[in-house]
Amino acid sequence: DAGVIQSPRHEVTEMGQEVTLRCKPISGHNSLFWYRQTMMRGLELLIYFNNNVPIDDSGMPEDRFSAKMPNASFSTLKIQPSEPRDSAVYFCASSPLQGVDEKLFFGSGTQLSVL
Amino acid sequence: GDSVTQMEGPVTLSEEAFLTINCTYTATGYPSLFWYVQYPGEGLQLLLKATKADDKGSNKGFEATYRKETTSFHLEKGSVQVSDSAVYFCALRAGGSYIPTFGRGTSLIVHP
Repeated sequence: DAGVIQSPRHEVTEMGQEVTLRCKPISGHNSLFWYRQTMMRGLELLIYFNNNVPIDDSGMPEDRFSAKMPNASFSTLKIQPSEPRDSAVYFCASSPLQGVDEKLFFGSGTQLSVL
Repeated sequence: GDSVTQMEGPVTLSEEAFLTINCTYTATGYPSLFWYVQYPGEGLQLLLKATKADDKGSNKGFEATYRKETTSFHLEKGSVQVSDSAVYFCALRAGGSYIPTFGRGTSLIVHP
């Protein structure tokens, strides 16, 4: 299995531009999570999907952030317009089932730099 | 709400030293507990887990025991190696929302 695949690995953009991050979860996994990691705030949950439906988006910082999961094999996180404070590593993770025993499988992340 | 507290780092050790990273939690119900490890430039990966009280998770020489009475899940290793240098995250997952809760992470640096 290829694992969770994220693209791009690195993204450098200018303030005000639109940024789209992509994630392909492991086939057969029903749960998908988007996290943001910074030195100051650690690992923050942005949004959680189960069976392609957003279950909890309370971690999405503001209206500039949006996430979609049009099917079981693809999700996007969009930032429009981007700001320097959005600079962080963004991780996508998937889980086989919505169960307390289930571990998360993380992608390698997207390093976002907004200048 | 659920929360995980782990010791702040960095933890700096010499090779072959004993490692303990403390982790305590608060949760409703009976959560499962996890330790994840993040190597530089990579995503988190599961190191070990325990799903009920008194269970011991172990992997690659690391161990942690689920202590319900003290709400703790401390990570230990008897003899660390340079290759263990990484950031370690304690986490829980409880019924209800099933959303994992992570600690802030503890950086471990092992010197030769």
